[in-house]
Order: sequence, then structure tokens, then C-alpha cells
Amino acid sequence: NAGVTQTPKFQVLKTGQSMTLQCAQDMNHEYMSWYRQDPGMGLRLIHYSVGAGITDQGEVPNGYNVSRSTTEDFPLRLLSAAPSQTSVYFCASSYSSAGGGGNTIYFGEGSWLTVV
Amino acid sequence: AQSVAQPEDQVNVAEGNPLTVKCTYSVSGNPYLFWYVQYPNRGLQFLLKYITGDNLVKGSYGFEAEFNKSQTSFHLKKPSALVSDSALYFCAVRGNSNSGYALNFGKGTSLLVTP
Repeated sequence: NAGVTQTPKFQVLKTGQSMTLQCAQDMNHEYMSWYRQDPGMGLRLIHYSVGAGITDQGEVPNGYNVSRSTTEDFPLRLLSAAPSQTSVYFCASSYSSAGGGGNTIYFGEGSWLTVV
Repeated sequence: AQSVAQPEDQVNVAEGNPLTVKCTYSVSGNPYLFWYVQYPNRGLQFLLKYITGDNLVKGSYGFEAEFNKSQTSFHLKKPSALVSDSALYFCAVRGNSNSGYALNFGKGTSLLVTP
């Protein structure tokens, strides 16, 4: 059982480049989300999905796109990278969130992104 | 909005001493509260959660947390700290339906346990 798998672990991008951070989970979780972690700011929600075909914006969605074509995968796309997007990105998943009674959310190992 | 606050950026404890990492919450309705730990260059690992029931919640690695409704607190505790407990600790609260009940995190508290 691999849990939540993120790739790549480390990436350096030039300003203006695009890229996709991959996230996959093998726990049949309906709910998936992306957070970014910045020093002194905790984790902030970028986008989330409550099931295949359904996505929505979180607290800091600008500059990012997501899609959810399958239950297992939830890629995060940076459209035109900017230095402000230098951060650590975490993908997370849990069982149904709606009225989910506080289901535990499981996190991937993170993707360290630097935009120069 | 559902939110938590971690008032201490860093907590220093000597090995063998008890440790407390503080968290206060602000919610409408009943809170669903969580603690996670992050080791350097790693993801977040779940420690424990409070949903309902006993105010003292036991979790992984010997950690426990006490839910206090009157003080709106959910402090993380351990009776005897280990050097290996040194890490970044996050308190979180389940958000509202407008975020799909995503977790809202505090800013984190760095715990340093010295030998």
C-alpha cells in the first residue's frame, strides 16, 4: 500500500515555464487536495476535489489548475511559473469529506519547487 | 471561519522532560481537531485527532492531546520528550463545506529536544 505518491520530489523551473506535479493515491479515497507550505504560514489550500470530475478552488488557487479524471489521480498544473510559486507542495487524500466525521487526511511526501 | 492558532514558533525541552505544544481554536459548531508532525524534508504524519468523546486523546509515538472546550484549546503533550521528537508540529481544524471540509492549519511550532 503506497498511500499518497507525489512526483517529482524536487524541481527547478524558469519563470514562465509550465509543469505538472503528479499525485496518486491507492486508498480509493474520494477527497483529494493540494496544499502549499511556506515558512511561517503553515499550509494553505490550493485546490481540492470531492470526487472524480469535481474540483474546486481553495484559499490560494491563482496560477494553478487541477483536474480529476480518475479517483486515483489529482495532478496540479502550474500554468506559467513565477518566483512567488517557489514552495513545498503537498498532496493529500481522505475518505469522503462531506459530513465525513473528521476522516483523517493523509499526506504525500511533498514536492520541493524552486522558480528562478 | 474555522481556524487554529499556535502561539509559539518554537518550543525547547530537555530530553526526559514533559513537553507541551499549544493550540487554540475558533470554530462555529463542534470542532474536529488534528495534530500532525513533519520531520525535515518529509511529509506530514498524522498523530491524533479529536472528534467527540473523551477530552484526552491518545495518539502515535506516545503523544496525547487534551481538548478543553472552556479554554478552546487542544494542546499536544508527551510525558517524557525524546531527541527524536524534534520536528515541526501542526495543529489543524476541519474547515467548512465551502472548502470540502479541508483542514485549516496553524503556522506550526518547531520543537527542539536537547540531550
